[in-house]
Amino acid sequence: RKEVEQDPGPFNVPEGATVAFNCTYSNSASQSFFWYRQDCRKEPKLLMSVYSSGNEDGRFTAQLNRASQYISLLIRDSKLSDSATYLCAVNREGYQLIWGAGTKLIIKP
Amino acid sequence: GAGVSQSPSNKVTEKGKDVELRCDPISGHTALYWYRQSLGQGLEFLIYFQGNSAPDKSGLPSDRFSAERTGGSVSTLTIQRTQQEDSAVYLCASSPQGETQYFGPGTRLLVL
Repeated sequence: RKEVEQDPGPFNVPEGATVAFNCTYSNSASQSFFWYRQDCRKEPKLLMSVYSSGNEDGRFTAQLNRASQYISLLIRDSKLSDSATYLCAVNREGYQLIWGAGTKLIIKP
Repeated sequence: GAGVSQSPSNKVTEKGKDVELRCDPISGHTALYWYRQSLGQGLEFLIYFQGNSAPDKSGLPSDRFSAERTGGSVSTLTIQRTQQEDSAVYLCASSPQGETQYFGPGTRLLVL
C-alpha cells in the first residue's frame, strides 16, 4: 500500500457543479497536510494547507479526518479554470512530504 | 518577492553525456528538495537538503545522480552518463522552517 493514495480520475465535471475528492494516508503520526494544484506542464503550486478544524478559501474547502486518515478537497461552483491535477502532500517526519500521484479534474462547459 | 528559479529551463543532451541542473531557492529557505516527474506521473523524491547537508538521499535512482548545495543556497543536481530513461522534468522546491514547499518551474531534460 502506498503511503499517500489518490484516485487518479479523471473527474469530468460540468461547470458550476460541486466536486470533491479524497486523499488517504497511512502514517497516523502525520501532522501536516497540503493540497497543491498542478497545471499541465507547470510546477505544483500550493492551493491550501489543511488544518485539523478544516479550512475554507473562497470556493475551496479542505478537511481532515484523522480517524479514517484522509483529507478531502471540495470545490464549489467549479470554473473552467479549475481544470488541473490536484496533488495532496502529507508530512512523514521532519521536513519530508510524501506526495500522492494526483487527481485529474476536467471542468466541461 | 522572487520565487524559486531553475536553470536551464530545457536541456537536450546525448546519451552518455553529463548534465548539471541548477536551483536557486527562495532567499532564507533552509530546506531544499529535488524531485523528478515523468510525463503524466507523480512526483518522485530524489534528495533533500537542510542547509548544506543532505539528511536524505534515499531517492537518488543510481550512483550516476549526485547533488550538492553550497552556502545554504544554490543547489546543483548532476547526472553523469545520462540515459534515455533520465528524460523527465526535474523540479526543485524550497521551504522555510515549516513543511510548505514552493516549487521552481522545473528543468525539462531530454536525453537522445
